Amino acid sequence: QQPVQSPQAVILREGEDAVINCSSSKALYSVHWYRQKHGEAPVFLMILLKGGEQKGHEKISASFNEKKQQSSLYLTASQLSYSGTYFCGTEWGSGTYKYIFGTGTRLKVLA
Amino acid sequence: SQTIHQWPATLVQPVGSPLSLECTVEGTSNPNLYWYRQAAGRGLQLLFYSVGIGQISSEVPQNLSASRPQDRQFILSSKKLLLSDSGFYLCAWSDLSYEQYFGPGTRLTVT
Repeated sequence: QQPVQSPQAVILREGEDAVINCSSSKALYSVHWYRQKHGEAPVFLMILLKGGEQKGHEKISASFNEKKQQSSLYLTASQLSYSGTYFCGTEWGSGTYKYIFGTGTRLKVLA
Repeated sequence: SQTIHQWPATLVQPVGSPLSLECTVEGTSNPNLYWYRQAAGRGLQLLFYSVGIGQISSEVPQNLSASRPQDRQFILSSKKLLLSDSGFYLCAWSDLSYEQYFGPGTRLTVT
């Protein structure tokens, strides 16, 4: 079963913040985040390898709660370029190389 | 640097016709290779993955198959296409870091 993301969709004004959550019914061994623009391939944003890890990338950061089997992506002071669909991804079982993606969150930033 | 190629970019095929999509990776050795399908407005469905030449793991039954005749070549095939095979097909590669790098995709329309 694929990880579930929430919310499914969100609309923001430029400069507003957003949080996207990714929850799994199975243990998460690592969590990756990707952004996909309409009609394009997904692009890697960041990876979290260990529980409790937090990472930042300009105004986009993420956290990983291994015990709760969830990760969150934080978008602060959003820009128009942040629009797209965000996916979390994870390896479905340590060492399996089977890689699956979450259900996706559509984010639209308005001027 | 590594690059991934997919072709064709778009394809329109009648129901019942065969399919062959090709993906090649440059600049890396022994990558893990993946085929995903994305229906319009939907998430990424894992179809096949491969950890080495001739090693294919299938996640989806039905009428699709995959082959890896060379280390950096991954082929997706079908003998007879169905209407439900329409979608955006993405090839991806990863190394030990598990980050997924996607090709530009093939947009397939079955008529």
